[in-house]
Amino acid sequence: NFILTQPHSVSESPGKTVTISCTRSSGRIGSNYVQWFHQRPGSSPTTVIYDDDQRPSGVPDRFSGSIDSSSNSASLTISGLKTEDEGDYYCQSYDDSNHVIFGGGTQLTVL
Amino acid sequence: QVQLQESGPGLVKPSETLSLSCAVSGHSVSSAYFWGWIRQSPGKGLEWIGSIYNTGTTYYNPSLQSRVTISVDMSKNQFSLNLRSVTAADTAIYYCAGKIAVALRVSFDDWGQGALVTVSS
Repeated sequence: NFILTQPHSVSESPGKTVTISCTRSSGRIGSNYVQWFHQRPGSSPTTVIYDDDQRPSGVPDRFSGSIDSSSNSASLTISGLKTEDEGDYYCQSYDDSNHVIFGGGTQLTVL
Repeated sequence: QVQLQESGPGLVKPSETLSLSCAVSGHSVSSAYFWGWIRQSPGKGLEWIGSIYNTGTTYYNPSLQSRVTISVDMSKNQFSLNLRSVTAADTAIYYCAGKIAVALRVSFDDWGQGALVTVSS
């Protein structure tokens, strides 16, 4: 099976842009869709990106997702950072046996 | 809109079985694409426990497979998790989640609020 590796934490100032990476250890990143979840303290995760680069309704277009086959990774980019964007972000994919795999999570601080 | 609500004991003794239920409202439990359980140990990340599909097929995390059973109760419109032979390492917030519509991706669109289960004597 594969693992998804994320940076432990990132921080940036309000109004700036931040990118969180998610690197797949084996197999092609494009083989299975990648999702991104946002989790605030004490709350359940919510989807901010699905199918690599799609935004659910209600998620602002400040959030964007992409995949890069050369680095075998997915990325979540948040522009125009707001304090409400703080929290933990998890990438998630799955293998060909329908096993769900989460990245270790990235703590975003907006300061 | 579908809503999910976990219920079950908040305290389980070591070596016993952790049992949780997830009540589904706003949708029939039998017609969703799949349901699942995810847990989060204190201060840690998300760990997928397993999923049950509308075909009845189950998939489990290999690290937990020998101790886990997920099932659906259509009469109560809910699904359940049983985790046997628990230890302190199983202390976590347990989330039930689901995906209603059939899609290529394997992911969860709807989540419960989570239930904290502590394993302690």
